[in-house]
Amino acid sequence: TAGITQAPTSQILAAGRSMTLRCTQDMRHNAMYWYRQDLGLGLRLIHYSNTAGTTGKGEVPDGYSVSRANTDDFPLTLASAVPSQTSVYFCASSDTGQGTDTQYFGPGTRLTVL
Amino acid sequence: GQNIDQPTEMTATEGAIVQINCTYQTSGFNGLFWYQQHAGEAPTFLSYNVLDGLEEKGRFSSFLSRSKGYSYLLLKELQMKDSASYLCAVLDSNYQLIWGAGTKLIIKP
Repeated sequence: TAGITQAPTSQILAAGRSMTLRCTQDMRHNAMYWYRQDLGLGLRLIHYSNTAGTTGKGEVPDGYSVSRANTDDFPLTLASAVPSQTSVYFCASSDTGQGTDTQYFGPGTRLTVL
Repeated sequence: GQNIDQPTEMTATEGAIVQINCTYQTSGFNGLFWYQQHAGEAPTFLSYNVLDGLEEKGRFSSFLSRSKGYSYLLLKELQMKDSASYLCAVLDSNYQLIWGAGTKLIIKP
């Protein structure tokens, strides 16, 4: 099974442009998450979804939006990219949103905003 | 504020034992996770502790002391493939995961 896939693998984006990072899981997990990982910092939660049709804000939601139209897909959109959004973005999923479940991570998208 | 502390980097020798420490100060506690992350790859689950004590899983063991706000990951019989970053994460009172910055473990032959 593929688990979680993310696209693109990497991207260079001009500041001010918009972009959608794609995330798809085939494990029928209810909960999905978007994190960013920056050097010297822990993973930081951007947005999450405990079930299809619902979303919530994490620790660093500003400048990002998400949607959860179905169980499998959880795209992350940057409406107007800024250089501080340069990071590695990981999508993750878990069976439930209870927090005690193991999270399974996608391979990541490396985004550079110039 | 909430804080997770881990050493930034550690070096160990192939075949040896290494202990990676994690101390935490969080608003509440609902468990502690350890994840492994090889360079350029996704984090993968290693262990989850919610009760005090040691849990052993093959060459890896994880220990928790809730009263001390302390955990460690013990890796035995180190192999070159164990070179990776090890991430400590605590589930707080709101069931949100708070992540440490990770410990980069370098294994030398």
